[in-house]
Amino acid sequence: ETGVTQSPTHLIKTRGQQVTLRCSSQSGHNTVSWYQQALGQGPQFIFQYYREEENGRGNFPPRFSGLQFPNYSSELNVNALELDDSALYLCASSGWELWSSHDTQYFGPGTRLTVL
Amino acid sequence: GESVGLHLPTLSVQEGDNSIINCAYSNSASDYFIWYKQESGKGPQFIIDIRSNMDKRQGQRVTVLLNKTVKHLSLQIAATQPGDSAVYFCAEIRGGGATNKLIFGTGTLLAVQP
Repeated sequence: ETGVTQSPTHLIKTRGQQVTLRCSSQSGHNTVSWYQQALGQGPQFIFQYYREEENGRGNFPPRFSGLQFPNYSSELNVNALELDDSALYLCASSGWELWSSHDTQYFGPGTRLTVL
Repeated sequence: GESVGLHLPTLSVQEGDNSIINCAYSNSASDYFIWYKQESGKGPQFIIDIRSNMDKRQGQRVTVLLNKTVKHLSLQIAATQPGDSAVYFCAEIRGGGATNKLIFGTGTLLAVQP
């Protein structure tokens, strides 16, 4: 088990509503990345936050937005929900490790969002 | 287009056998590769990684091989156990960018038969 936690576990919303998902990063990690995983697919990168600033974004519309707080926890907000937003939303935290030139990303359990 | 993909969507093996899961990538600029295991209802779990300046790396019961000539990556699991049943993803990070975003393939389902 990683130290990354996400809430809520499951969520049901209707089209047009707004949703906020939360993520607490692993101790010592200052970078949080969000991914969307549709059923039967690999995770797709939404965006990444480093020290409270957005540090890269995938091919997602502006209604997907995020925040990172001073304690490195993060939120993902989605406005004007669409049916296709139904997916597992994964948060991954990372931090520089001595043995690697890249930050290894450790995932939380995800939030299952269903849009009706 | 650029992609990371898998040759086999489903792999069925007998308990105790060795498993080999393959992955192809198309971007020669990729410099870091990771294998993740995802069990039903859970987030991806880090298994092992490899940098592009290596061709082999071993962990506990797992070995990752990288062939840059043919842009191929494989995960070998020794003495496969029922607990290894899961979807396995290869993912890459492409060098040179400020963002370490993971690009995932579609996954291979490993089914271990008792």
